[in-house]
Amino acid sequence: QVQLVQSGAEVKKPGSSVKVSCKASGGTFSSYAISWVRQAPGQGLEWMGGIIPIFGTANYAQKFQGRVTITADESTSTAYMELSSLRSEDTAVYYCARGSGYYSPPTYNWFDPWGQGTLVTVSS
Amino acid sequence: EIVLTQSPGTLSLSPGERATLSCRASQSVSSSYLAWYQQKPGQAPRLLIYGASSRATGIPDRFSGSGSGTDFTLTISRLEPEDFAVYYCQQYGSSPGITFGQGTRLEIK
Repeated sequence: QVQLVQSGAEVKKPGSSVKVSCKASGGTFSSYAISWVRQAPGQGLEWMGGIIPIFGTANYAQKFQGRVTITADESTSTAYMELSSLRSEDTAVYYCARGSGYYSPPTYNWFDPWGQGTLVTVSS
Repeated sequence: EIVLTQSPGTLSLSPGERATLSCRASQSVSSSYLAWYQQKPGQAPRLLIYGASSRATGIPDRFSGSGSGTDFTLTISRLEPEDFAVYYCQQYGSSPGITFGQGTRLEIK
């Protein structure tokens, strides 16, 4: 049974960057996509992008193109999401989630399981 | 991109009643690539249904999904106290990417 454990909460200044990690244990890591989904306070879910670790190429939602970078380290079974040029509207809980299909592209996935979430607060 | 509209925004019911949640897509969802999630306060979403009607592992059979094309439904046959939460639909397999509905809050009447 795969488990995803994310890094801890972050407080960042506007204009800076944040990098959140997601470590997988208990199952196959490299062949299933890992996606990142965020949730602003009191709001819904927003897909940011995903990566299949064995291929190393990420797909991004158009909204975040140029500002988000998703990577994965097969040696440590860890995925990363880095968001740059932070603004107050980026304050949210960021979740990683494993995609559904063996070698299935991130945009063709449902998500199970999810990490516990990482709160990123952007404030001056 | 495909916009998903969930209704109602809030549904007030009592334990033991039947809940019917709707998810309507702005264009046809290919191959019924639609999932449903449950989210409780302070928790990550939990997968309930994928492929419009397949229950995820460990999900009680009081949860069922149906629909195709642009209209999808999540039904909870008899509400248990632990079912009161927010529910999201999600579509996958379309360009340019994955989208979620805005959520339906299921609250105790």
